[in-house]
Amino acid sequence: AQSVTQLDSHVSVSEGTPVLLRCNYSSSYSPSLFWYVQHPNKGLQLLLKYTSAATLVKGINGFEAEFKKSETSFHLTKPSAHMSDAAEYFCVVRDLNTPLVFGKGTRLSVIA
Amino acid sequence: KAGVTQTPRYLIKTRGQQVTLSCSPISGHRSVSWYQQTPGQGLQFLFEYFSETQRNKGNFPGRFSGRQFSNSRSEMNVSTLELGDSALYLCASSLGQGTMNTEAFFGQGTRLTVV
Repeated sequence: AQSVTQLDSHVSVSEGTPVLLRCNYSSSYSPSLFWYVQHPNKGLQLLLKYTSAATLVKGINGFEAEFKKSETSFHLTKPSAHMSDAAEYFCVVRDLNTPLVFGKGTRLSVIA
Repeated sequence: KAGVTQTPRYLIKTRGQQVTLSCSPISGHRSVSWYQQTPGQGLQFLFEYFSETQRNKGNFPGRFSGRQFSNSRSEMNVSTLELGDSALYLCASSLGQGTMNTEAFFGQGTRLTVV
């Protein structure tokens, strides 16, 4: 069965500095991988998805993630944090015909 | 294109009551999934429907049930509510099964409080 581990429950960065949110996954097959963001009292918004076409995936709002099969990782990065990036981020894995499996989430705080 | 619509947004119920939540997927999407989100357990899968058939079910008691209609709209029902059922219930729609890379689009959720 697939699983996801988000290595940090909380990350705090200063505005304008890089963001790194770490995610490791476990899957029996070649999985689909996603990052979602959730702002307070809101639903989940898709940031980006890994489609196996390219290992470096670009998403919305300047975020990107790199798929590393050898490390079973799918870390999320952004070169420069903005105050509006403060939210909860979820790494998600999915095998064929199975439900999405969510990590526990990483809360990103951005300090002015 | 309208997004995923969940109604109601907020609900307060008493222990022992039952509740029905509704989800209207994005037009053309045939798959609807439900998730429960709590601070302690995070996001947990409840069930998935595709073309009116339940395709996957999570590890929840039989008090939790759902269905999907021919227009792809879905409802979930929780009977004999317990305090621990207080949560944000999220609905997600996607094009359909069998396509691993198809992303799911989420509604704003229904915040259920059981008192």
